[in-house]
Amino acid sequence: DAGVIQSPRHEVTEMGQEVTLRCKPISGHNSLFWYRQTMMRGLELLIYFNNNVPIDDSGMPEDRFSAKMPNASFSTLKIQPSEPRDSAVYFCASSPTESSGGNEQFFGPGTRLTVL
Amino acid sequence: DQQVKQNSPSLSVQEGRISILNCDYTNSMFDYFLWYKKYPAEGPTFLISISSIKDKNEDGRFTVFLNKSAKHLSLHIVPSQPGDSAVYFCAAASSYKLIFGSGTRLLVRP
Repeated sequence: DAGVIQSPRHEVTEMGQEVTLRCKPISGHNSLFWYRQTMMRGLELLIYFNNNVPIDDSGMPEDRFSAKMPNASFSTLKIQPSEPRDSAVYFCASSPTESSGGNEQFFGPGTRLTVL
Repeated sequence: DQQVKQNSPSLSVQEGRISILNCDYTNSMFDYFLWYKKYPAEGPTFLISISSIKDKNEDGRFTVFLNKSAKHLSLHIVPSQPGDSAVYFCAAASSYKLIFGSGTRLLVRP
């Protein structure tokens, strides 16, 4: 089992550029989560998909952020235009069931984004 | 408004001794609590969880205790090993949503 796969692992870009982060969840998992980790705010949930449908996007900071899940094995998080304050580590996680606090979420290795 | 707090940013213990990591929460509606461990340049990995209807869950060297009246949980690691050195996050779950604490960096000295 390859686990959750994220790409790229590191991204350095200039302010104003579009950034696309990619995630492949664990096969068979029907829930997918995008998180952002910063020093100031810690780990925070950005968006939650269930069966490829966005269920909760209340954590998406602003309209510059968008996420898609075109199929069960792929999701993207896009920032357009990027700003220096978007610099953070972005994690994708998946879990096998729709909702149950007791079910663990499996995290990918993260993408470290630096916006200059 | 932090719903989950880990007030100790770091902890250092001697190998073989007990490590105790603490976590406080404010919302009594959480139904599960989880602990994750994170190594540098890796994503968090699940360690152990506890239902809100229980007060203890044990898995090998790891035990989580829940005190609902105090809205407090703790993770005990005994005996501590150098490989346990990592950042530990507690998380509170309500349905699908996990709310994480800020983490405690544990260093186990050989």
